[in-house]
Amino acid sequence: DSGVTQTPKHLITATGQRVTLRCSPRSGDLSVYWYQQSLDQGLQFLIQYYNGEERAKGNILERFSAQQFPDLHSELNLSSLELGDSALYFCASSVSGTSANEQYFGPGTRLTVT
Amino acid sequence: TQLLEQSPQFLSIQEGENLTVYCNSSSVFSSLQWYRQEPGEGPVLLVTVVTGGEVKKLKRLTFQFGDARKDSSLHITAAQPGDTGLYLCAGAERNNNDMRFGAGTRLTVKP
Repeated sequence: DSGVTQTPKHLITATGQRVTLRCSPRSGDLSVYWYQQSLDQGLQFLIQYYNGEERAKGNILERFSAQQFPDLHSELNLSSLELGDSALYFCASSVSGTSANEQYFGPGTRLTVT
Repeated sequence: TQLLEQSPQFLSIQEGENLTVYCNSSSVFSSLQWYRQEPGEGPVLLVTVVTGGEVKKLKRLTFQFGDARKDSSLHITAAQPGDTGLYLCAGAERNNNDMRFGAGTRLTVKP
């Protein structure tokens, strides 16, 4: 158990819908990272927040957005969903915001768009 | 095109054999990490290497960071079925805060 929690574990929704994925980092960690993992693309970095502020942005679509709240939990919002958005979405956390930090991953949310 | 190229993509061996998997890039990294991921679960951190030429050992696993900090290898001695999984390397470029992952090596160790 990494100490990172994600909800829900599974999510099935239709194209065009909007969903919110939730992540609670390990106690004491200030950074939260979001990743998308699909069979053909591997693990893709989406976005990082550090202590409530956006720190780094990866391959995140404009239809996706995220935020980190004062209690440090984070939410990833996915809108206008397409079939290709079906994937595993992982959240990871680390102590600080620097690139050399070790990241601890949650169990993931499996999103299926039908 | 992946920033980090991992090879081989798939590897199937018998219990007791040794193996090496590789992680290569044209970029220089401030640090590089290795993770192991089992199906349906999140990646689990195995090791972080920071210094060029660094070698770290974790029981039967030996990790090496290249002198130029552009590549890394993972060697497993006497592989066991419990070593089965997807091995991912991830690097943070010196001038960039993004952590980039390789596509991984999927290892199967048969009893």
